[in-house]
Amino acid sequence: AQSVAQPEDQVNVAEGNPLTVKCTYSVSGNPYLFWYVQYPNRGLQFLLKYITGDNLVKGSYGFEAEFNKSQTSFHLKKPSALVSDSALYFCAVRDPPGSGYSTLTFGKGTMLLVSP
Amino acid sequence: NAGVTQTPKFRVLKTGQSMTLLCAQDMNHEYMYWYRQDPGMGLRLIHYSVGEGTTAKGEVPDGYNVSRLKKQNFLLGLESAAPSQTSVYFCASSYIGGGYTEAFFGQGTRLTVV
Repeated sequence: AQSVAQPEDQVNVAEGNPLTVKCTYSVSGNPYLFWYVQYPNRGLQFLLKYITGDNLVKGSYGFEAEFNKSQTSFHLKKPSALVSDSALYFCAVRDPPGSGYSTLTFGKGTMLLVSP
Repeated sequence: NAGVTQTPKFRVLKTGQSMTLLCAQDMNHEYMYWYRQDPGMGLRLIHYSVGEGTTAKGEVPDGYNVSRLKKQNFLLGLESAAPSQTSVYFCASSYIGGGYTEAFFGQGTRLTVV
């Protein structure tokens, strides 16, 4: 079965500095990877996804993610953090097509705190 | 465009009571999901549906039942609520799309069982 690991419960970064939120995955076949963000008392919002192609994926709000097949990682990045980026971030992986129905498996989440 | 709407947003139940959470989507999505979110546990899949009239168990299905009588609606039922079911529940939906489509989430239902 597929799985996702987010090794950091919390990431602290100063505003203006680059940020990285880590994610590693385990899946049979080609991975379909996603990042979501959750602001307080809100549902999850889609940020970006990797399906195939370029290893650097660009998404909403200036976020990007780097897919590394050899390290089975899909780290979320942003060149310059904003205080408003403070939120809970989830990495997720889809069932590969043909491996059953297409459910999403989520990591435990990483809280990002950006200080002024 | 409402997207995914969950009803109710908040609920307090006594142990042993029953309730139904309603999820409605207006995007004509085939797939619908119910997740629960608990601190430090991420989102865990309770049940899901790949089309009208079909449902399947997820990672944590015990104590819950679901129905998908109409394509746009996905109901989550608790027959006899327990304190362990205190959680935030999220409904989501997505296109079939070969597995590479993102899911759209509702705003969540905060359920407390006392």
